[in-house]
Amino acid sequence: TQLLEQSPQFLSIQEGENLTVYCNSSSVFSSLQWYRQEPGEGPVLLVTVVTGGEVKKLKRLTFQFGDARKDSSLHITAAQPGDTGLYLCAGVPLWNYGGSQGNLIFGKGTKLSVKP
Amino acid sequence: NAGVTQTPKFQVLKTGQSMTLQCAQDMNHEYMSWYRQDPGMGLRLIHYSVGAGITDQGEVPNGYNVSRSTTEDFPLRLLSAAPSQTSVYFCASSYRVTDFSYEQYFGPGTRLTVT
Repeated sequence: TQLLEQSPQFLSIQEGENLTVYCNSSSVFSSLQWYRQEPGEGPVLLVTVVTGGEVKKLKRLTFQFGDARKDSSLHITAAQPGDTGLYLCAGVPLWNYGGSQGNLIFGKGTKLSVKP
Repeated sequence: NAGVTQTPKFQVLKTGQSMTLQCAQDMNHEYMSWYRQDPGMGLRLIHYSVGAGITDQGEVPNGYNVSRSTTEDFPLRLLSAAPSQTSVYFCASSYRVTDFSYEQYFGPGTRLTVT
């Protein structure tokens, strides 16, 4: 069973459209992170959310951590071809709070394609 | 700073061969990890280290060994390569930002094919 479920798995949209991708779990997380990975490269950290209900913005990207800290969403406004990539969420479950960072768990990712 | 560097970028092995994937970081991070990434499987943790001289197993450790003699280096050894180890391997280093979160930096990856 995947502890972090991401949806959708694939998303193909036109430039200028808005989109939201989701990261859900039945477990409570002490924090959640979002990464973007471009083909042939390693993932790059975009944001970390720590507090339930927290909203963070990074230019056209808005990240939200659910009130119960079991889920997170990433919303992109007016998507551009440069947003194309694999978006991964990752986190440390609360039951492992204070434990080693080796327990950072990744979802399988959402593959986003933005066509010009 | 170079960040996290990995060598080689690509490697082809025959079944049964051994090799070492190199990973180095120049950020003085305590934590280092090795992941493999396979289609449809996401990133899976192989081994990790919380400091020099300390290593532990992750989700998929079988067939791999690690050691951490210095803060900077964290090599991954394949003992006897198998086709199931064909994958893209990522090394990462991280530091604890707060009690609740880490900042993790990934290398560019090594694409390994075992025939």
